[in-house]
Amino acid sequence: QVQLVQSGAEVKKPGASVKVSCKASGYNFNIYAITWVRQAPGQGLEWMGWVSAYNANRDYAQKVQGRLTMTTDTYTSTAYMELGSLTSDDTAVYYCARLAGSGSHPFDYWGQGTLITVSS
Amino acid sequence: SYVLTQPPSVSVAPGQTARITCGGNNIGSKSVHWYQQKPGQAPVLVIYSDTDRPSGIPERFSGSNSGNTATLTISRVEAGDEADYYCQVWDDNSDYVFGTGTKVPVL
Repeated sequence: QVQLVQSGAEVKKPGASVKVSCKASGYNFNIYAITWVRQAPGQGLEWMGWVSAYNANRDYAQKVQGRLTMTTDTYTSTAYMELGSLTSDDTAVYYCARLAGSGSHPFDYWGQGTLITVSS
Repeated sequence: SYVLTQPPSVSVAPGQTARITCGGNNIGSKSVHWYQQKPGQAPVLVIYSDTDRPSGIPERFSGSNSGNTATLTISRVEAGDEADYYCQVWDDNSDYVFGTGTKVPVL
């Protein structure tokens, strides 16, 4: 069965960077993309970006462009999301999800979420 | 940027039907997906491409999309359907957009 398992919660200071991993299993990682979505406490879902495991194409939301890097490691079937210059507004649960490709595809399987807390 | 508007809350009694709307400019021309999120859990896809159900999702969940409104319908509501529901589309100017979310308390 398809599974996405994310790394554990982290606490970061303002200005620092955080890197979250998302290990996939149960499907051919190389032919899908991974997308990342975050959810601030008590708020809705916010799309951050996606990265293709097939050709490394990527696209980021304008709001986080310049601070966000998404990568994949096809040897370990793992996707990574690195966000820099953290502020308290980045405190949220970060989710990875599987995406069949760019365009109007659904996010069909999700990781369990990783809580990132930014606090001095 | 493209905006999707949902009612903040839709209350329903067990056994009744809940209809959750998602409004957007000419949303009928886009493919709409719906996610269910229970407290402390990751979202789960319940409807994709306007009307299709992933395997394992009960037939009680259905979707429609026309004009400026997409709708998620939950028939014969059960206590376990209590959750937040989000619509989502892809827009070629705004990329992936989520609706504002609707809380469904089962009374």
